[in-house]
Amino acid sequence: DAGVTQSPTHLIKTRGQQVTLRCSPISGHKSVSWYQQVLGQGPQFIFQYYEKEERGRGNFPDRFSARQFPNYSSELNVNALLLGDSALYLCASSLLPGQPNSPLHFGNGTRLTVT
Amino acid sequence: SQQGEEDPQALSIQEGENATMNCSYKTSINNLQWYRQNSGRGLVHLILIRSNEREKHSGRLRVTLDTSKKSSSLLITASRAADTASYFCAAGDRGSNYKLTFGKGTLLTVNP
Repeated sequence: DAGVTQSPTHLIKTRGQQVTLRCSPISGHKSVSWYQQVLGQGPQFIFQYYEKEERGRGNFPDRFSARQFPNYSSELNVNALLLGDSALYLCASSLLPGQPNSPLHFGNGTRLTVT
Repeated sequence: SQQGEEDPQALSIQEGENATMNCSYKTSINNLQWYRQNSGRGLVHLILIRSNEREKHSGRLRVTLDTSKKSSSLLITASRAADTASYFCAAGDRGSNYKLTFGKGTLLTVNP
């Protein structure tokens, strides 16, 4: 079975622009989470979605938004890009949300560079 | 706020030696997980230890958890060059089942 897939793998944008990142979870997984990893740091939680509803949100501005589709794939949108948004954006899937003792399955990420 | 904090930030050893990484966290947890990341790519889950467990093994990996000290350690025995990667601990917060809080990671270099 395919793992979590993310597209694109790399992206270069200019300050002020908008970007959309895409994620397809592992088949059968209904929950998708998004994490931001700035160079030299650990991943930081942005969102979790389950059954098309937002179940959790991290400490990120409203410029960040996401949605989940009926096939459980997800998009992360970032508006009005800032230089500080340059990071590796990771998508992770799990079978169900709120399972306190389940690991996450991560994709290889989208490397976003804002110039 | 930063939950997991790994120690050391970087570790360089020879093949065949053991590598130990430590992690501290701040709040009550359901579990403590360890992930590996190669060259800034995706994270791979290594092992999960529940809050009511004290030690867990998986292959060459051994994880301990001390909830009274809010700390965990990851031991990789008989290391190989292929173990070279960044290792992150991640706390599954008791109050929010939907997210993990990661530390900054330990960069492990295993020299052949």
